[in-house]
Amino acid sequence: QVQLVESGGGVVQPGGSLRLSCAASGFTFSSYGMHWVRQAPGKGLEWVAFIRSDGSNKYYAGSVEGRFTISRDISKNTLYLQMDSLRAEDTAVYYCSKSDDDFWSGYTPIFDYWGQGTLVTVSS
Amino acid sequence: QSVLTQPPSASGTPGQRVTISCSGSSSNIGSNTVNWYQQFPGTAPKLLIYSNNQRPSGVPDRFSGSKSGTSASLAISGLQSEDEADYYCAAWDDSLNVVVFGGGTKLTVL
Repeated sequence: QVQLVESGGGVVQPGGSLRLSCAASGFTFSSYGMHWVRQAPGKGLEWVAFIRSDGSNKYYAGSVEGRFTISRDISKNTLYLQMDSLRAEDTAVYYCSKSDDDFWSGYTPIFDYWGQGTLVTVSS
Repeated sequence: QSVLTQPPSASGTPGQRVTISCSGSSSNIGSNTVNWYQQFPGTAPKLLIYSNNQRPSGVPDRFSGSKSGTSASLAISGLQSEDEADYYCAAWDDSLNVVVFGGGTKLTVL
């Protein structure tokens, strides 16, 4: 069965960096696009970033563009989110999610599987 | 302020039918499909409805989705205590070029 396991969360000071990982199993990782979605404490869901199956194209929410970098290692079946210049408003649980296919734009992506999430707290 | 508007709360008694609305615009719901997610406290969201009205395998047929114009709805019939959760709608937005979520609706079973 599909499993997504995030790691790497923690407490970091404003301006600091953190790298999240998401280990994937139970499906052909190289065939599907992958997302990061976050949820601030007590708030709703916010899409963060998407990467296509082969890593050729990456897309970001405006709130993280230029500060976050999504990547993937097909040989390790692992998705990453490098987060730099962190701000207090980046505090959230970060979920990795599998897309039902590999498309982006002009279509509502289906987040068909989700990891358990990892908490990132940005505070001095 | 979410692009898609959902009521913050909804409630019903066991066995009742409840609906949760999701209001958008011509650039999102009006021109793209809607998905719904269910989230229990402290857990990850789960896909509940996709492509407006399709249920993934394993989702009870008590859950149904519909879309009309720039609004979508999630209906839960035969309400059960275990349906108490947060529900989110999502759709692609052609103007923003991103997928947007509703603010979420907390469903309480009285």
